[in-house]
Amino acid sequence: EPEVTQTPSHQVTQMGQEVILRCVPISNHLYFYWYRQILGQKVEFLVSFYNNEISEKSEIFDDQFSVERPDGSNFTLKIRSTKLEDSAMYFCASRASEAGNTIYFGEGSWLTVV
Amino acid sequence: ELKVEQNPLFLSMQEGKNYTIYCNYSTTSDRLYWYRQDPGKSLESLFVLLSNGAVKQEGRLMASLDTKARLSTLHITAAVHDLSATYFCAVDPPFRGGSEKLVFGKGTKLTVNP
Repeated sequence: EPEVTQTPSHQVTQMGQEVILRCVPISNHLYFYWYRQILGQKVEFLVSFYNNEISEKSEIFDDQFSVERPDGSNFTLKIRSTKLEDSAMYFCASRASEAGNTIYFGEGSWLTVV
Repeated sequence: ELKVEQNPLFLSMQEGKNYTIYCNYSTTSDRLYWYRQDPGKSLESLFVLLSNGAVKQEGRLMASLDTKARLSTLHITAAVHDLSATYFCAVDPPFRGGSEKLVFGKGTKLTVNP
């Protein structure tokens, strides 16, 4: 079964450093998302991306965050200057074109900011 | 703003017993998703419910959607230990042209005891 893949699975970074989380969505999907889950809490929407631009973002997704689809297959989340509170599991997700299709999640990238 | 409430948040049950998890949401939507998450793992799609009265079953799990009551249920029949996990419901806000930002409940942590 096709799947969303994410790298790295776990990254430890120092506060203030830049981090790039990478995702390869399912190949025929058109809508891409980043969500995050702070340990023990619910899953929160960060940003959605369609047709090479952000279609919606949450208030969590401030100026320190950016997304990019540099080469038509990868989908990246950059956190410019990490803070302790950015420590979380970050999930990439993708969906095929039709509304109501299943949104598939990757295995997640666990980010620890120290 | 769409709010999604799940209850109970914690559920401990014995093998062989039946139980129901409830998911209420605050604004009109006819698209609701159930996901399963094992500790430290990703979100596995269980059910996509797309219309009022939709009922889907897979093994010992059955999900239903009542859009008029803004309520979905996940019913567990004759629980087994392998069902121990956290179950999330997630709801789409009214469709606005493709971004489908899911709003998640807090999750129900299910523990099935022998």
